[in-house]
Amino acid sequence: AQKITQTQPGMFVQEKEAVTLDCTYDTSDQSYGLFWYKQPSSGEMIFLIYQGSYDEQNATEGRYSLNFQKARKSANLVISASQLGDSAMYFCAMTPDSSYKLIFGSGTRLLVRP
Amino acid sequence: DAGITQSPRHKVTETGTPVTLRCHQTENHRYMYWYRQDPGHGLRLIHYSYGVKDTDKGEVSDGYSVSRSKTEDFLLTLESATSSQTSVYFCAISDAAGEETQYFGPGTRLLVL
Repeated sequence: AQKITQTQPGMFVQEKEAVTLDCTYDTSDQSYGLFWYKQPSSGEMIFLIYQGSYDEQNATEGRYSLNFQKARKSANLVISASQLGDSAMYFCAMTPDSSYKLIFGSGTRLLVRP
Repeated sequence: DAGITQSPRHKVTETGTPVTLRCHQTENHRYMYWYRQDPGHGLRLIHYSYGVKDTDKGEVSDGYSVSRSKTEDFLLTLESATSSQTSVYFCAISDAAGEETQYFGPGTRLLVL
């Protein structure tokens, strides 16, 4: 079965430090996409970063990078130099091969301490 | 940001009444989706559309119907609202299926009493 697992329900990080949010996925497809979304307390879902299964380089978008380890089926999000505005829920998600469906994990709540 | 709006943003209704939520996009994207978000379940797909008048069911479609008569509009109808349909509903759009990024609207918070 295709599944996303986020094992950290909640995390704390000190402002200006880096933090890694874990995500593992389960699929037998060869082609798939991996995504991270941020949901602040205001409720909207904000797209952060994308990694394709055939991409050899880890994706990077500003302070966000995706640590993609295909053999381990992990797609961890790394946030560098945390800011107070990074406090939010973070969701890892996957689209299996040519699928319409975005499969979400249960999310990790990140709290950045001043 | 993708141009996606949802209306209404908040709604309170009574059990047994029909409810229609609207999603409107200005991006001319082919694919549109309706998700619901509940505590402990993350986001789950209700229905999706791959073109005008082309729709299909997601994983939690019971009690919901959809319609898409124009590229820009995707309607979600709760035929007879129940308390279990109290949730936050998100519309999303993408230019293609598969590995194409889905962009989300602001959400509609629905309370069924």
